Amino acid sequence: GAGVSQSPSNKVTEKGKDVELRCDPISGHTALYWYRQSLGQGLEFLIYFQGNSAPDKSGLPSDRFSAERTGGSVSTLTIQRTQQEDSAVYLCASSLVFHGPLSPLHFGNGTRLTVT
Amino acid sequence: GQQVMQIPQYQHVQEGEDFTTYCNSSTTLSNIQWYKQRPGGHPVFLIQLVKSGEVKKQKRLTFQFGEAKKNSSLHITATQTTDVGTYFCAGPRTDKLIFGTGTRLQVFP
Repeated sequence: GAGVSQSPSNKVTEKGKDVELRCDPISGHTALYWYRQSLGQGLEFLIYFQGNSAPDKSGLPSDRFSAERTGGSVSTLTIQRTQQEDSAVYLCASSLVFHGPLSPLHFGNGTRLTVT
Repeated sequence: GQQVMQIPQYQHVQEGEDFTTYCNSSTTLSNIQWYKQRPGGHPVFLIQLVKSGEVKKQKRLTFQFGEAKKNSSLHITATQTTDVGTYFCAGPRTDKLIFGTGTRLQVFP
């Protein structure tokens, strides 16, 4: 059984370029989450999906960030006009149900984004 | 807004010593989860506590959920080098799962 898959694992981009990060959750998991983790820091919540719907986008740092999920499966996080402060590890997680009992988050290995 | 704080931020122990991290929420939590993140790795789920005053054990790890459901603790007995990593608690807030600030544990052999 495959876990949460994220691609690319590493991305180096120039300031001002757009990047797209992909997350493939565990099959059958309806909830999907995006977090950001700067070096040595905690997990900053960005956005979650229940199915294809993202009820709360207030965690996204700026309007340069957007995310979508299609078919209740794959999700993409897009960062437009990247800035150096966007450099971090972007973690995706999925769970069987949203905040249900005994429904832990399963994290992917993350995408390490470096903006030069 | 809801905040989940953990103390200490860092802890260095000699192998064989005990370790405890404390998690405190500004609001009552319906449940709390604990995760471990090894250096260079991603967070991995350890356990979930739901009931007030609940205590659960996993080998050398003991997890407690406070009576008021606003705090929790993780205690490791006789630490080993394999316990190295950052331990996060996490609690739900309506539409988000908020992670604590984390406690980074270093174990010296």
